[in-house]
Amino acid sequence: AQRVTQPEKLLSVFKGAPVELKCNYSYSGSPELFWYVQYSRQRLQLLLRHISRESIKGFTADLNKGETSFHLKKPFAQEEDSAMYYCALRGNTDKLIFGTGTRLQVFP
Amino acid sequence: GAGVSQSPRYKVAKRGQDVALRCDPISGHVSLFWYQQALGQGPEFLTYFQNEAQLDKSGLPSDRFFAERPEGSVSTLKIQRTQQEDSAVYLCASSLSGRNNEQFFGPGTRLTVL
Repeated sequence: AQRVTQPEKLLSVFKGAPVELKCNYSYSGSPELFWYVQYSRQRLQLLLRHISRESIKGFTADLNKGETSFHLKKPFAQEEDSAMYYCALRGNTDKLIFGTGTRLQVFP
Repeated sequence: GAGVSQSPRYKVAKRGQDVALRCDPISGHVSLFWYQQALGQGPEFLTYFQNEAQLDKSGLPSDRFFAERPEGSVSTLKIQRTQQEDSAVYLCASSLSGRNNEQFFGPGTRLTVL
């Protein structure tokens, strides 16, 4: 079965602290992994995808096939990073399978 | 250009009523997706169109849910005889054709069934 697990509902850090949002997946094949972000009162938008291997807004994520993980990391959190973050998987069809999301709160 | 738009943004229905939710994709986007997001959950796939063809409707929870995209542009998600468990945010997304293209999401329609 295809599944995405985000174990933390809420992650609270202070500004300048490192952040790691966890994502584990279950898929028998080679999936594409994504991180989507939803800022307050805005629509869901793509943050990054593993095939791009790029850093967006200081965030990076590495696909670890051995651990079936795609954790999102940022070395120094900013207040504007406060948002809802969703990990998503795309298998051999075009639909996205989302995790339940992690709310990141960055305090000043 | 404008992004994906959805209407209405909010809908309150009495149990048993039929509702119709509209999605206007980005112009030129071939693929269109509907997702359902219950409170505290991530979006869950409902159905997918490529142009006017409904290629996957495996996520529709019951035969009360019906989606169409007759001219390959605007799509309507219809829910018949709404139930309280249908209360959710319904998200529409569109993308250019091909698997490597990003899905762009609309603002969603929040449906509340009383």
